[in-house]
Amino acid sequence: AQKITQTQPGMFVQEKEAVTLDCTYDTSDQSYGLFWYKQPSSGEMIFLIYQGSYDEQNATEGRYSLNFQKARKSANLVISASQLGDSAMYFCAMREASYGNNRLAFGKGNQVVVIP
Amino acid sequence: GAVVSQHPSRVICKSGTSVKIECRSLDFQATTMFWYRQFPKQSLMLMATSNEGSKATYEQGVEKDKFLINHASLTLSTLTVTSAHPEDSSFYICSATNQKAGETQYFGPGTRLLVL
Repeated sequence: AQKITQTQPGMFVQEKEAVTLDCTYDTSDQSYGLFWYKQPSSGEMIFLIYQGSYDEQNATEGRYSLNFQKARKSANLVISASQLGDSAMYFCAMREASYGNNRLAFGKGNQVVVIP
Repeated sequence: GAVVSQHPSRVICKSGTSVKIECRSLDFQATTMFWYRQFPKQSLMLMATSNEGSKATYEQGVEKDKFLINHASLTLSTLTVTSAHPEDSSFYICSATNQKAGETQYFGPGTRLLVL
């Protein structure tokens, strides 16, 4: 079964508007971590934000925030005030204790294109 | 965030030759490094987990004799694609864990390999 599901098709976002990227996950672990990475066309994977399963508050990092709904097993990324440089692929990933050795399971990604 | 470098950034080689890719953590000690492979428009596929001073752990379906991994120090891991063939052409990207940062994986910029 897929551990991380990202099903949105490619998205076009107007500059300065907010965009929400969906991510649902599947785990039976009590302890796990959720990550979002950005991959621009250059290929590098840029760490954006992290949410631990025991964190009571939603994680925020600058313009990035994570809408963590544990009961629904979702960890959506919200990018506020989109910029042209936000155009990229965005990957949601999960680390489970049972998966071992800090390995990450990645979703298939969301393509975002910010238009002026 | 922590800095991870990768060298070379791109390489073109003839079929049958071997190619070595280096992954370095520049400002932290990485006890664990990971090697991924990514085909165009697809997600990252974990190939192996590399722990300093011990043998790498390969994911199912990844040939350990074809993809040799060495993690000789806390700042360097190498991936050698032996007897490369055109089907090995891909984007190879490494990551390293900085335990001081809560075990977030920080990625290198990736290596584009083209085997002719």
